[in-house]
Amino acid sequence: NAGVTQTPKFRVLKTGQSMTLLCAQDMNHEYMYWYRQDPGMGLRLIHYSVGEGTTAKGEVPDGYNVSRLKKQNFLLGLESAAPSQTSVYFCASSWVVSGANVLTFGAGSRLTVL
Amino acid sequence: GQNIDQPTEMTATEGAIVQINCTYQTSGFNGLFWYQQHAGEAPTFLSYNVLDGLEEKGRFSSFLSRSKGYSYLLLKELQMKDSASYLCAVRDSNYQLIWGAGTKLIIKP
Repeated sequence: NAGVTQTPKFRVLKTGQSMTLLCAQDMNHEYMYWYRQDPGMGLRLIHYSVGEGTTAKGEVPDGYNVSRLKKQNFLLGLESAAPSQTSVYFCASSWVVSGANVLTFGAGSRLTVL
Repeated sequence: GQNIDQPTEMTATEGAIVQINCTYQTSGFNGLFWYQQHAGEAPTFLSYNVLDGLEEKGRFSSFLSRSKGYSYLLLKELQMKDSASYLCAVRDSNYQLIWGAGTKLIIKP
């Protein structure tokens, strides 16, 4: 049982380059999320999805785009990377948003933008 | 604005007890979560509180006071493997999770 899988785990980009982070979950979860984690700050929500074909903006969406063409996959794209996007990115998924909703996180993707 | 405060770092001794506090100011309240995150790894769920009081789960307990905007995570019989960051998160009135910056817990032999 893989849970939530993120690829790649590490990536170094030059300013202006583009890339896509892939998140795949095998738990049939409806909700999927992309967070970034920076030193001294809490996890910040970039974008999220409440089901296949839907996406919504989170707290810090600028500079990122997402797509959820299939229920099990949630892609995060950086069209023109900036040094401010150097961070650790976590994908997460969950059944619902109410009650004791538990997020299952992927292992993280460490991105460095030079 | 919405805010969650936790101590940045705490140190405790193996076998002892430690309490990690979390205070919050959010737009509404729909539950509070504690997650554990080992260095370089993903956060994993520890506990959930939505009503006032203590929730116990083995060596870990979590307490909530909604009127005071306060929670704590209590870790007993500390083990070296408990060295990690502990993240407090509150779900607001829009069912969005607001995360604290985390408390790094260092366990010494």
